[in-house]
Amino acid sequence: GQQVMQIPQYQHVQEGEDFTTYCNSSTTLSNIQWYKQRPGGHPVFLIQLVKSGEVKKQKRLTFQFGEAKKNSSLHITATQTTDVGTYFCAGNTGRRALTFGSGTRLQVQP
Amino acid sequence: NAGVTQTPKFRILKIGQSMTLQCAQDMNHNYMYWYRQDPGMGLKLIYYSVGAGITDKGEVPNGYNVSRSTTEDFPLRLELAAPSQTSVYFCASSYHLLGQSLNTEAFFGQGTRLTVV
Repeated sequence: GQQVMQIPQYQHVQEGEDFTTYCNSSTTLSNIQWYKQRPGGHPVFLIQLVKSGEVKKQKRLTFQFGEAKKNSSLHITATQTTDVGTYFCAGNTGRRALTFGSGTRLQVQP
Repeated sequence: NAGVTQTPKFRILKIGQSMTLQCAQDMNHNYMYWYRQDPGMGLKLIYYSVGAGITDKGEVPNGYNVSRSTTEDFPLRLELAAPSQTSVYFCASSYHLLGQSLNTEAFFGQGTRLTVV
């Protein structure tokens, strides 16, 4: 079945450093979504990418969808303690429901 | 707007007991999902529904059952609880235009933390 992998599993950064998480799918995705889950909370939608090679920005967050629509990345510039949480990518292919990646847990040291 | 409401928030079950996790949404979404999240892990799809009367298995359906008799409600049933079902369960919903391949943003409930002892 479809697999969506994320790397790294965990990253610890100093406040102000940059952070990037990568998402790779075994199959072509029609679209990809990114979610953030704060510790003890529930996933919250951040953004959706649809087009091949698409790049979208939200303040310090930059999201990219690969040309082959099989990979994606989320880059955070100058992390802040409010960025702490787990970031998930999610996509769907044959099955009509979203398949979530394994997630990248971000810890930010003040 | 309440969004997606899950009850209960916490529950402890003994091995072999059964229970129903409730999920309701008031956004008129056609798609609804159940995921489980084990500690420090990602979200695994248990079951999903694309509309009232239609349900489908996800990655980890064994030990669970669902029904979707209305657009609003999507309960998850555990028949014979096992320790392996200790997890946090999230219900989610989204709107999907007929004939289009794209999902829209999924809204999640607050989760049900279940422990089976």
